[in-house]
Order: sequence, then C-alpha cells, then structure tokens
Amino acid sequence: GAGVSQTPSNKVTEKGKYVELRCDPISGHTALYWYRQSLGQGPEFLIYFQGTGAADDSGLPNDRFFAVRPEGSVSTLKIQRTERGDSAVYLCASSSFGGDTDTQYFGPGTRLTVL
Amino acid sequence: AQSVTQLDSHVSVSEGTPVLLRCNYSSSYSPSLFWYVQHPNKGLQLLLKYTSAATLVKGINGFEAEFKKSETSFHLTKPSAHMSDAAEYFCVVRNYGGATNKLIFGTGTLLAVQP
Repeated sequence: GAGVSQTPSNKVTEKGKYVELRCDPISGHTALYWYRQSLGQGPEFLIYFQGTGAADDSGLPNDRFFAVRPEGSVSTLKIQRTERGDSAVYLCASSSFGGDTDTQYFGPGTRLTVL
Repeated sequence: AQSVTQLDSHVSVSEGTPVLLRCNYSSSYSPSLFWYVQHPNKGLQLLLKYTSAATLVKGINGFEAEFKKSETSFHLTKPSAHMSDAAEYFCVVRNYGGATNKLIFGTGTLLAVQP
C-alpha cells in the first residue's frame, strides 16, 4: 500500500516568510510524528499526534512552529517568520497506534531552505 | 534519559567484505533499539528492531544486530557488503515513558562501499 507522503519535496523561501509543510500518513495510522534533520545530524523529534490532538509538542523549538491534524489524518507543520536556522529536512512518520511495539514509517521528507 | 552514540561517523569497506557499524546506548530501562537506513533522497527505512525478545536480531538485506546488555552495545553487522548498501545508517532508541514513543537518533554513520 501507499506509504507516508510529504509535500512539497523541496521548499525554498526567504527569511521572514511563512511556510506550510504537509504530511499524509499511512491510511489508518492514528499516531503521527514530525522530526527535523539538520545537515550532518540525526533526526530530532518535534511533535507527536495521537488522532487529532498533539500529545507531545516538547520538541518544537519555539512558538514560530505549530502543527495541526484537524481530522486525524493529514498533518500540516507551519513555520512563521522563517529564519535561516530553520533550514533542514522535515520528516514525518506514522505508526498504527503509537504503542511501544509500533514501527514508525517515515516519509521522504521536505527539504526547507531559507535564504 | 535515553541516548545512543554511534562511534564512527564514516566507515568504508570493500564490496564483499564484512560490515560493522558500532552503536552504544544509554538507558535506565530495558531499551527498544532500532537501526534505520537512509539512502540519498529517500526516506528512512527500518532495517531491524530489538524489543527485549531474542538478543540477536535479523533484519532486511542480510543485516543483523546483537543486543549486549553487559556492553550496552547494539552493533550492526553484515557478512558481505554490496554496493547498494552505501547509505547513512542511524542507531535509534525509543523514548521510555511520558506521552510519546518518540525515537531518539544517533548522529549517523555514513557507509561507503568500494568496488
């Protein structure tokens, strides 16, 4: 079946602009995660959704970052007033129910470049 | 808190020779450990996972890893490298407790396979 998809695959924006990154999880997966991967680093956790609610947003770096999942499926990561330091690959993952035996399946990522 | 340390940032092997990618973990609890692989411009793919069952875990593409509690290690091995194995490999531990089963990634090991 279809895996996790993310759009756009690449996004170039200017400092100070607003961007939205979209994630389509595997159908039926209730758990959805966002991670950020900076150059030369491993992915770092941003936020976790269980259904429509953000169960853990402790990884969001500051209040310019926000994410929603209004219908418990598609999620959008929103970044306001982008800064050059926000440049990274943003990864989305989903899993069946978020349990401790779940496997997280990752999308291909969105590469964000802030000029 | 849980963490993983990947001991080598780069490993180079010749095709047909064994692969060893080293990972040490830190956890106050019995950890769930994973190895993910990331090929260029592709999403993270799960190679294998350890969740307190058999200590020798077999994964896809001929990879395996052994959980050694006494050494706090979870090294990834493959008897014979193939050109297609060239990629970045991440050792990962699952967060224990709290509202999320987020993954905590190491910094990655870039595997090069020489012909």
